[in-house]
Amino acid sequence: ETGVTQSPTHLIKTRGQQVTLRCSSQSGHNTVSWYQQALGQGPQFIFQYYREEENGRGNFPPRFSGLQFPNYSSELNVNALELDDSALYLCASSVNGGQGEYFGPGTRLTVL
Amino acid sequence: AQSVTQPDIHITVSEGASLELRCNYSYGATPYLFWYVQSPGQGLQLLLKYFSGDTLVQGIKGFEAEFKRSQSSFNLRKPSVHWSDAAEYFCAVDPVRGFQKLVFGTGTRLLVSP
Repeated sequence: ETGVTQSPTHLIKTRGQQVTLRCSSQSGHNTVSWYQQALGQGPQFIFQYYREEENGRGNFPPRFSGLQFPNYSSELNVNALELDDSALYLCASSVNGGQGEYFGPGTRLTVL
Repeated sequence: AQSVTQPDIHITVSEGASLELRCNYSYGATPYLFWYVQSPGQGLQLLLKYFSGDTLVQGIKGFEAEFKRSQSSFNLRKPSVHWSDAAEYFCAVDPVRGFQKLVFGTGTRLLVSP
C-alpha cells in the first residue's frame, strides 16, 4: 500500500505571491486534511476535505483554500503570501470516522 | 479553554533508561487521543491511539500509553529507550471523536544520551 505523498518537498516564494501544494492520499482513504506546522510548534489544522467537499476549517483566513479531486488527491492554495506563512505544510489522509490520520512528509514553504 | 498541554519542551534520557512523556488535555468530553513521532525534516508517524476501552494502549516501536480520566492525561511510556528514539513527540486529540480534525500539543523533544 502506498503512503501519503506530497509535492514539492521545498518551495521558496516571495511575499504577495501565490502557491499551490499537492498531496496524494493513501490508497483507500477518502478524507484529506491539511495542517500548518510553524517552526517549533505543533501542527495546526487548516481544513479537511471529504468526497471533494470542505468538511471543516480551522482558524485560517480565506486566502487559504483547497480542492479535493475524484481520486481523493488534494491541493492547498495560499494567496497573497505573508512572511508568517513560512512553515511545514502537512497533508494527512484517513477514512472518514476512521482510526487516525496518516501524514505525508510535508512541504517546507519559505516566504521571503 | 480547550487545549492540549505537553509540559516538557525537552527531555534527555540515557540509552536503556525508561521514558515517560506527559500529555494533559482540557475538554469537556474525553476526546480521541493520539501520540505521534516526528523525526527531523519528516512528517508525523502515528505511534498509538485511544478511543475507548482498556486504558493501557500498546503501540509501535515498543511504546505504550495510559489514559487516566481522573487526571485528563494520556502519558506515553517506553521501558528502554534506544538512540533511534530521539525525535519530537506530539500528543494530539480529536475533540469531535471521529472527525479527524486533530488538535496538537506543542511537542516534547527527546534527546537520548549514550
